Amino acid sequence: DTEVTQTPKHLVMGMTNKKSLKCEQHMGHRAMYWYKQKAKKPPELMFVYSYEKLSINESVPSRFSPECPNSSLLNLHLHALQPEDSALYLCASSQIPRPGTLDGYTFGSGTRLTVV
Amino acid sequence: QKEVEQDPGPLSVPEGAIVSLNCTYSNSAFQYFMWYRQYSRKGPELLMYTYSSGNKEDGRFTAQVDKSSKYISLFIRDSQPSDSATYLCAMDNLYGNKLVFGAGTILRVKS
Repeated sequence: DTEVTQTPKHLVMGMTNKKSLKCEQHMGHRAMYWYKQKAKKPPELMFVYSYEKLSINESVPSRFSPECPNSSLLNLHLHALQPEDSALYLCASSQIPRPGTLDGYTFGSGTRLTVV
Repeated sequence: QKEVEQDPGPLSVPEGAIVSLNCTYSNSAFQYFMWYRQYSRKGPELLMYTYSSGNKEDGRFTAQVDKSSKYISLFIRDSQPSDSATYLCAMDNLYGNKLVFGAGTILRVKS
């Protein structure tokens, strides 16, 4: 299995809703990532988990709350979002990088989020 | 100045042409250099990655890194209409855990 699976593929939520995005991989990767991609823009890093611990938070607003329950799963909990948070949310995973080696930095197909 | 510069295009070529895609960067700490292909409404797909300088070839794709010039390239030989997509360069530092992307180049291969 060489895939990163994201669910749901599409999500429409109101500004007062609470929802969660899910990401799963079975490649044995111990690093997992959340990226945000606005239309016609490149992906931007939000969070990095290494060995199930949060290692990087790119100053993301607290209305986005990541969680890594185990080495295969990554969640992104959403609460009180704004319309400008509408974007494609991408999950990625990789082996823990070592100098000279960066194996399998693989992205999922993303969740297209619309906040109304 | 952005850390990674990439011409957004669009770049239109006839089928069978050799395509050259390029990025420049300013951060000398970058060690990993990657090229991703992204189709509309899909996630990025890793095409090539290179550590430090040098060339790498995989089928119709060749990636080149010139660290002295802070310049990377992706060449696509015998381009096909199915190669039409957005091509993103991405780079990271020694730790490899944070990718910085270029803006992406839209490529259109016409049959």
